[in-house]
Amino acid sequence: DAGVIQSPRHEVTEMGQEVTLRCKPISGHDYLFWYRQTMMRGLELLIYFNNNVPIDDSGMPEDRFSAKMPNASFSTLKIQPSEPRDSAVYFCASSLSGISSTDTQYFGPGTRLTVL
Amino acid sequence: GESVGLHLPTLSVQEGDNSIINCAYSNSASDYFIWYKQESGKGPQFIIDIRSNMDKRQGQRVTVLLNKTVKHLSLQIAATQPGDSAVYFCAERRDKIIFGKGTRLHILP
Repeated sequence: DAGVIQSPRHEVTEMGQEVTLRCKPISGHDYLFWYRQTMMRGLELLIYFNNNVPIDDSGMPEDRFSAKMPNASFSTLKIQPSEPRDSAVYFCASSLSGISSTDTQYFGPGTRLTVL
Repeated sequence: GESVGLHLPTLSVQEGDNSIINCAYSNSASDYFIWYKQESGKGPQFIIDIRSNMDKRQGQRVTVLLNKTVKHLSLQIAATQPGDSAVYFCAERRDKIIFGKGTRLHILP
């Protein structure tokens, strides 16, 4: 298996622009997670899905952030409009089972977002 | 606020020596703990985990120790190799997985 795939790997945009990050989870995994990593706050869970349904979006910082999972093999995280403080590395992860299990979360390589 | 943290942001270890990375947590309700390794430019990678009903678990060259009395978690890496250079995160599970900020392990030749 190719593992979790994320695109783009790097994104540089200007403040106010819309940004869309993409993720393809490992086939057969029912759970998908979006994380944000910064030096100041470390790794933070933004939202996670079970069978394409958002379960917990309490980590989404603002209404400017939205996430969708139209099917089992694809998810997007959108920021509109983007701001410089959104600059971070965004990770997608997937697992067979959810947080209450001990199934491993497999992380993608991340998207490094820079908002100028 | 979040409670998982690490005592040292950077740890330098001689190649071949054992490494010990420490982590403190504050919520006694956490029932599951995980160590992740993150190499430069990559996502975190699972290393080893431990449930709260255990105090020690061993893997290949790695051992995790859990001391619930003082809410302390440690990762021991035996015979540290250059490939062990990375940032190591501990994470605890309450109602969700909470990650610490990480410790960078630097291997000295």
